[in-house]
Amino acid sequence: GAGVSQSPSNKVTEKGKDVELRCDPISGHTALYWYRQSLGQGLEFLIYFQGNSAPDKSGLPSDRFSAERTGGSVSTLTIQRTQQEDSAVYLCASSLGYGNTIYFGEGSWLTVV
Amino acid sequence: GENVEQHPSTLSVQEGDSAVIKCTYSDSASNYFPWYKQELGKGPQLIIDIRSNVGEKKDQRIAVTLNKTAKHFSLHITETQPEDSAVYFCAASPSYIPTFGRGTSLIVHP
Repeated sequence: GAGVSQSPSNKVTEKGKDVELRCDPISGHTALYWYRQSLGQGLEFLIYFQGNSAPDKSGLPSDRFSAERTGGSVSTLTIQRTQQEDSAVYLCASSLGYGNTIYFGEGSWLTVV
Repeated sequence: GENVEQHPSTLSVQEGDSAVIKCTYSDSASNYFPWYKQELGKGPQLIIDIRSNVGEKKDQRIAVTLNKTAKHFSLHITETQPEDSAVYFCAASPSYIPTFGRGTSLIVHP
C-alpha cells in the first residue's frame, strides 16, 4: 500500500477481554515500531522490529502486552485482559531502517469500558 | 535513556504571526531530530528533520535550528495559517528508537 495501514481504526472492548491490533507497514520497510499515545500525552515507545533480528521489547508496559511480526511484514499487537488504563491510540510506524524517515499509520483508537 | 522536553505545551498565535517551539534533549549521542505534525484523528506526519552535522534547515515557511552544544533544537513557522493548527512533536534519536516530546498544541486564529 501507499502508507502504513492499521486496523481496526476504532475498538471498544470490555475490561478483561483480549484485543488484537494489526499493522501493515509500507512495502519494503524492514523496521516496524509500535507506539502508544494516551490522551494529551506524547508518544510512548512500546516495541521495535528490525528484519529478522530479535525485537526490542523494552517499552512494553506489562506482560499483558505482546507483539509479533510475521514474515517480516504484518505485525499484530496483542493486549490481554485489557484494563481501563490501556485506553489510548496505538500507533504503528515503519521505516527503511535506522536513520531513515519513520512513517506513521493513522492509529487504532482503543477504548476499554 | 534519552529524555526530550518540549515547550510550550500550548501556543496560540494570530494568522500571519510566527510560531516557535523549543525542545531540549539529554543524550549527546542523539544525531537525528525529526519534527512531526499531528492533525486531529490522524497519525503524526513528518514535516522536517535535521541531522547533527547541520545547524539549520529550511523548507518554505518551516525552519529548524540545532545547537548540539546546548542540546536544544527549535521549530520555526513563519506566516502562520489556520491550516497550521495541529499538535507538533519533536523527537531525538540516539539510536533506532526516537524519543518524542510531549507535544505542542498550536492554534492559529484567523
